[in-house]
Amino acid sequence: SQTIHQWPATLVQPVGSPLSLECTVEGTSNPNLYWYRQAAGRGLQLLFYSVGIGQISSEVPQNLSASRPQDRQFILSSKKLLLSDSGFYLCAWSDGWESTGELFFGEGSRLTVL
Amino acid sequence: GQQLNQSPQSMFIQEGEDVSMNCTSSSIFNTWLWYKQDPGEGPVLLIALYKAGELTSNGRLTAQFGITRKDSFLNISASIPSDVGIYFCAGRLYNNNDMRFGAGTRLTVKP
Repeated sequence: SQTIHQWPATLVQPVGSPLSLECTVEGTSNPNLYWYRQAAGRGLQLLFYSVGIGQISSEVPQNLSASRPQDRQFILSSKKLLLSDSGFYLCAWSDGWESTGELFFGEGSRLTVL
Repeated sequence: GQQLNQSPQSMFIQEGEDVSMNCTSSSIFNTWLWYKQDPGEGPVLLIALYKAGELTSNGRLTAQFGITRKDSFLNISASIPSDVGIYFCAGRLYNNNDMRFGAGTRLTVKP
């Protein structure tokens, strides 16, 4: 069966520090991968999605970047964090072959920028 | 145009009552999904809908894909305390690979 994991689960970082959140998927190949952000009490905002290694689409201009160095690895990064980067970050995957559209989420990473 | 309008924003109901929430958009979607999110966790898929008019049940949950492809609803019958959480609708655009989410419906169930 397929599983998705992301880490760290919780992160407290000072303004201006770098960020790296990692997400890996097991049990499938060529998944579509996504990074979402959820502000407190709000819905999900799509940040990046990837249909293959090295292929990244950005949905909103921001202080963050994403990379996909391997088929089942998706990384969210920042060189200098802003206060507004605080939030709950969710990695997700969907089947890249059948395109059923179903998204499956990781456990989430809560980032607090101080 | 591609945003989903989900309502109500929150609901406070008594245990045993039925619940109904919906999502609408001005855009056409070819997949509708309903998720539930518990505090501090990632959303979990409840029901997936693929065809206009499709009505699907999962236990006490029932969801429908609107005929116009621009809306969907989720019903929960005979609510119980563990139904508490945030429910999200999500739609996959007709000619796009990504998913759009509603703002969520926060459900509180009083025992």
